[in-house]
Amino acid sequence: AQSVSQHNHHVILSEAASLELGCNYSYGGTVNLFWYVQYPGQHLQLLLKYFSGDPLVKGIKGFEAEFIKSKFSFNLRKPSVQWSDTAEYFCAVNRYGQNFVFGPGTRLSVLP
Amino acid sequence: EAQVTQNPRYLITVTGKKLTVTCSQNMNHEYMSWYRQDPGLGLRQIYYSMNVEVTDKGDVPEGYKVSRKEKRNFPLILESPSPNQTSLYFCASSLSSGGYNEQFFGPGTRLTVL
Repeated sequence: AQSVSQHNHHVILSEAASLELGCNYSYGGTVNLFWYVQYPGQHLQLLLKYFSGDPLVKGIKGFEAEFIKSKFSFNLRKPSVQWSDTAEYFCAVNRYGQNFVFGPGTRLSVLP
Repeated sequence: EAQVTQNPRYLITVTGKKLTVTCSQNMNHEYMSWYRQDPGLGLRQIYYSMNVEVTDKGDVPEGYKVSRKEKRNFPLILESPSPNQTSLYFCASSLSSGGYNEQFFGPGTRLTVL
């Protein structure tokens, strides 16, 4: 079965620290990859997505992610986090004609 | 404005009293899906629909029903709610089930079953 894992359940950082959230998926073939963010009390919003081409994709709010096919990974990064980045982050994967699969989420707390 | 709407946003009910949570999208999307979100468990898919009259079970379908009679609507039905269905529910839609389409999420419905 398809699965998506995220390395950390809860990450706590100080403002201006660098962020990297890990995401791995379990199956091969061509995949589409997504990172979503859920701010407290809100619904999920798309941060960025990868379909093909340059494996380093840039999203909104200074986030970027790198697709490494050989490692089945799609890690999310931000050079300098802000208090407003406090949220829950979800990695998701799908393949054409198949269902979306979400990871369990990583909660990020940024201390002012 | 392109959006996914859900109603109600908050609902408190009692065990066994049938309820329906509506979901509607105005983007002419083929794919729609229901998720529940619980602390520590992330998002778990309940049911999804690839198109009108095409629905399938997700990871946690027990106790839920859905229907897709028209493209824009995808209601979630709890025939006999139980306290373990207390959760935050999200509806989502995308242009199709695969390819280059992200999902758009509704605002969520917080359900409490007493």
